[in-house]
Amino acid sequence: DSGVTQTPKHLITATGQRVTLRCSPRSGDLSVYWYQQSLDQGLQFLIQYYNGEERAKGNILERFSAQQFPDLHSELNLSSLELGDSALYFCASSVGGGEKLFFGSGTQLSVL
Amino acid sequence: AQSVTQLDSHVSVSEGTPVLLRCNYSSSYSPSLFWYVQHPNKGLQLLLKYTSAATLVKGINGFEAEFKKSETSFHLTKPSAHMSDAAEYFCVVSDFNKLVFGAGTILRVKS
Repeated sequence: DSGVTQTPKHLITATGQRVTLRCSPRSGDLSVYWYQQSLDQGLQFLIQYYNGEERAKGNILERFSAQQFPDLHSELNLSSLELGDSALYFCASSVGGGEKLFFGSGTQLSVL
Repeated sequence: AQSVTQLDSHVSVSEGTPVLLRCNYSSSYSPSLFWYVQHPNKGLQLLLKYTSAATLVKGINGFEAEFKKSETSFHLTKPSAHMSDAAEYFCVVSDFNKLVFGAGTILRVKS
């Protein structure tokens, strides 16, 4: 158990809908990272937050947004969902920006 | 279920010396294996992947890894370390299209 909690584990929705994925980092970790893993593109870095502020941005679509709350949990919002958004979304956390990374078990999103 | 074990949580080398990051895997069938690198404040970057073609896989930045079925290993190597190689490295196995991560190895490069 990495200490990083992601909910829900599975999510099935329809095209055009909006969903929210939640991540609770390990106790004491200030950084949260979001990744998307899909069959055709492998693992893609989406975005990083550090203590509530956006720290780094990767290949995140404009339809996607994220935030980190004062209690340090983070949410990834995916809107106007398309079939191609079906993927496994990982969250990871670390104490800061360069310390050891711990991964959650992921949220499997299926867009039908 | 497939899994990977990274044998060292921390590795320290001097600049210009070889790098060896060890990974053993557990799989009931021929696995797909990856090495990823995480630099501070950046996302994971794919170094290389093995998908049952050549057993010696060459990746980016001079890294390579050799798949040894008899030893169930997939160690990452580089002939000469550079300061910019300091990062955390993850050995990853694909388990029915889900990535399973090793615990990570932090590589420190001394000048």
